[in-house]
Amino acid sequence: QVQLQESGPGLVKPSQTLSLTCTVSGGSISSGGYYWSWIRQHPGKGLEWIGYIYYSGSTYYNPSLKSRVTISVDTSKNQFSLKLSSVTAADTAVYYCARGIAAAANTRFDPWGQGTLVTVSS
Amino acid sequence: DIQMTQSPSSLSASVGDRVTITCRASQSISSYLNWYQQKPGKAPKLLIYAASSLQSGVPSRFSGSGSGTDFTLTISSLQPEDFATYYCQQSYSTLPSFGQGTKLEIK
Repeated sequence: QVQLQESGPGLVKPSQTLSLTCTVSGGSISSGGYYWSWIRQHPGKGLEWIGYIYYSGSTYYNPSLKSRVTISVDTSKNQFSLKLSSVTAADTAVYYCARGIAAAANTRFDPWGQGTLVTVSS
Repeated sequence: DIQMTQSPSSLSASVGDRVTITCRASQSISSYLNWYQQKPGKAPKLLIYAASSLQSGVPSRFSGSGSGTDFTLTISSLQPEDFATYYCQQSYSTLPSFGQGTKLEIK
């Protein structure tokens, strides 16, 4: 079965760029029909979709973050990555990667990685 | 943007109870609605997709219904492992969005 695992620094300084990688195992990231996604959860709060990428490289971003977000894919490593620039304390959150399954125009997220807490602080 | 509103925000119930959680969309989303369960310190887990389809491996005591703007998640007989936070999520628009969550606690 497909599993996802996030990796990256747990502490980022304000104004710098947050960089995370999601490694996919048990399946190929190049399989069609899936949107490789990033979702975050502020401490004690709800879930916010950041964006996703198709294996071909097509990307879709949350308009509220679009100016600061880049999602890329490395099919040779079976990984996809998130970069969020000019971070502030408001970007402190648990970041999840997830597989988006698009079927009959409904996109659901399954499975999810375990999540990684990123704290923005000097 | 489509806003998703869940009610109640929190709920106390006992093992064996039947529980219903409601999710309302700010506009019609057809049946493009999914439900997730999240336990403390864990990632969300998909329970129901397309409003009423049970995800493989999820117990049959979970069920979903609704279309348009109003949706419900029902747990027919609460088990100890069901105490968690539940989220709905719409995928009707190109900007997926989640409800604020419903925390289900033990009475």
